[in-house]
Amino acid sequence: QQQVKQSPQSLIVQKGGISIINCAYENTAFDYFPWYQQFPGKGPALLIAIRPDVSEKKEGRFTISFNKSAKQFSLHIMDSQPGDSATYFCAASRLDDKIIFGKGTRLHILP
Amino acid sequence: DSGVTQTPKHLITATGQRVTLRCSPRSGDLSVYWYQQSLDQGLQFLIQYYNGEERAKGNILERFSAQQFPDLHSELNLSSLELGDSALYFCASSVGGTDHQETQYFGPGTRLLVL
Repeated sequence: QQQVKQSPQSLIVQKGGISIINCAYENTAFDYFPWYQQFPGKGPALLIAIRPDVSEKKEGRFTISFNKSAKQFSLHIMDSQPGDSATYFCAASRLDDKIIFGKGTRLHILP
Repeated sequence: DSGVTQTPKHLITATGQRVTLRCSPRSGDLSVYWYQQSLDQGLQFLIQYYNGEERAKGNILERFSAQQFPDLHSELNLSSLELGDSALYFCASSVGGTDHQETQYFGPGTRLLVL
């Protein structure tokens, strides 16, 4: 119930394309869903986050889509650029509890 | 640059040994979190300290311990090391201490290799 399942494990997208990473969760008590971006040799950095009272949140080229009934959420990267090549982690938590991370998706954008 | 510093960057040691990882949080942050990142388990929360006190515990082994000092830097002690302890260890910091959902800023990590 505490798991967050992330797919795919790796993803290759052409420059200018849309990158889509999906996550699913079981615990309906989760109320915070962040996405982290990690470049090689660096720590994860918060990219964008959503709460279940909205179905979508957009920040620049990054959009989170949230489906509460299906217990799924996804990250869309529009107009993907080589600089977006990184590992992306979805995560979930409930108030006053630790953040549970997905296993990560290694994204490579072809120039 | 997140403002969180970790030393050392790399650490190679042998099974059975003990090591200490150090973390300095961002200026003004009172909370320090420790995470372990391995290929098979992903990123896992170990422990949180807030203003010198232990605030939350995750999947931390009994062989591991941590503390936060009055200047707010933190140390993670790993003892009786096993091959399976080889991983990246991250420290993160945040301003407050009651809400894991507050933005956490991660350091660059310490890569531990146990031979």
